[in-house]
Amino acid sequence: NAGVMQNPRHLVRRRGQEARLRCSPMKGHSHVYWYRQLPEEGLKFMVYLQKENIIDESGMPKERFSAEFPKEGPSILRIQQVVRGDSAAYFCASSRSGTVTEAFFGQGTRLTVV
Amino acid sequence: DAKTTQPPSMDCAEGRAANLPCNHSTISGNEYVYWYRQIHSQGPQYIIHGLKNNETNEMASLIITEDRKSSTLILPHATLRDTAVYYCIVRVSSGSARQLTFGSGTQLTVLP
Repeated sequence: NAGVMQNPRHLVRRRGQEARLRCSPMKGHSHVYWYRQLPEEGLKFMVYLQKENIIDESGMPKERFSAEFPKEGPSILRIQQVVRGDSAAYFCASSRSGTVTEAFFGQGTRLTVV
Repeated sequence: DAKTTQPPSMDCAEGRAANLPCNHSTISGNEYVYWYRQIHSQGPQYIIHGLKNNETNEMASLIITEDRKSSTLILPHATLRDTAVYYCIVRVSSGSARQLTFGSGTQLTVLP
């Protein structure tokens, strides 16, 4: 059973471009969480999704950021018109039931905005 | 959620026990203590959790004081691969992973 798969592992974008980060949860997991880790800081919750539904997006910036978890395929975190401050590591976690203990994290995507 | 306090960094000799402390003096009766670690450039990894009894698994032991205001994570025989940032988090067990709050953690460096 493969773990949580994130791709790409590294992504470089110029200011103003769009960034798309993908997360494939573990098999059988229907709960997905996105976290962001800015340089020298701890992880901060961004958004929680179940299949086709956004459950909690209280940690998402109000503009330029969106997330989806379609019925088929991976979860996507989309950042439009990236700025240098978006440079960070973005981690995805998945769980079967939504409880804390069952969450498994992916290796992350490191976004660099130049 | 209860706030936790951890030392920013610790060193440990390879092969010795690493004891990582965590203070959580405002913990509520239904809140568990969770430990995660993050090895450089990787995602966080769950280690162990407990309510009030001491817990042990294949990775570590968790010692919680009787008043539950502090705890210690013990890695019995630290290896170089245990070098990581260790996070102590207090949560209700039924809480969602969306509510994991990672603070600054403790940077553990295992020295050869």
